[in-house]
Amino acid sequence: GQQVMQIPQYQHVQEGEDFTTYCNSSTTLSNIQWYKQRPGGHPVFLIQLVKSGEVKKQKRLTFQFGEAKKNSSLHITATQTTDVGTYFCAGPRGSYIPTFGRGTSLIVHP
Amino acid sequence: GAGVSQSPRYKVAKRGQDVALRCDPISGHVSLFWYQQALGQGPEFLTYFQNEAQLDKSGLPSDRFFAERPEGSVSTLKIQRTQQEDSAVYLCASSFGTLPGGDTQYFGPGTRLTVL
Repeated sequence: GQQVMQIPQYQHVQEGEDFTTYCNSSTTLSNIQWYKQRPGGHPVFLIQLVKSGEVKKQKRLTFQFGEAKKNSSLHITATQTTDVGTYFCAGPRGSYIPTFGRGTSLIVHP
Repeated sequence: GAGVSQSPRYKVAKRGQDVALRCDPISGHVSLFWYQQALGQGPEFLTYFQNEAQLDKSGLPSDRFFAERPEGSVSTLKIQRTQQEDSAVYLCASSFGTLPGGDTQYFGPGTRLTVL
């Protein structure tokens, strides 16, 4: 069945450094969503990408959807301590069942 | 309400006990999901409701798990004869539309279940 893989599992950065997490699917996705989960919290929706090659920005966050719609990335420029958390990508399996990746945990050292 | 609420937030059960977890979705949201999240993992799909209809329960791990949403709003996830492997955070999410694969999901705070 469809799997959504995320790498890396953990990433330590110094505050101010950049961060990137990658999401890869074994099948073509109709869309991909990104969520952030703070330690002890619940997933919070960040963005949805639908079009092949789509790029969207939210302040210091840049989201990309691959041309083949099988991979996606989230890049954070100049990380801050408020960026700490686990970032998940999720793609629909079939028509609607969301399949989440394992997540990338970002640790920012001040 | 302002967001999705879940109760209880924490539940400790002895092995073999039955538990019931409640989810109050955002008012007017048609779609409701239940997920199970183990430590260090992403949310795993359990079941999906569209209004009161349970359209998919393929993610329920065993027949000890049962979910309902009788009036199309509040939902309850029931686990019978709990086992230690049931220990996890149970998340509920709701979305406005009927195509949740492409719709924003709003998650509740979760219920942390610990089975001793």
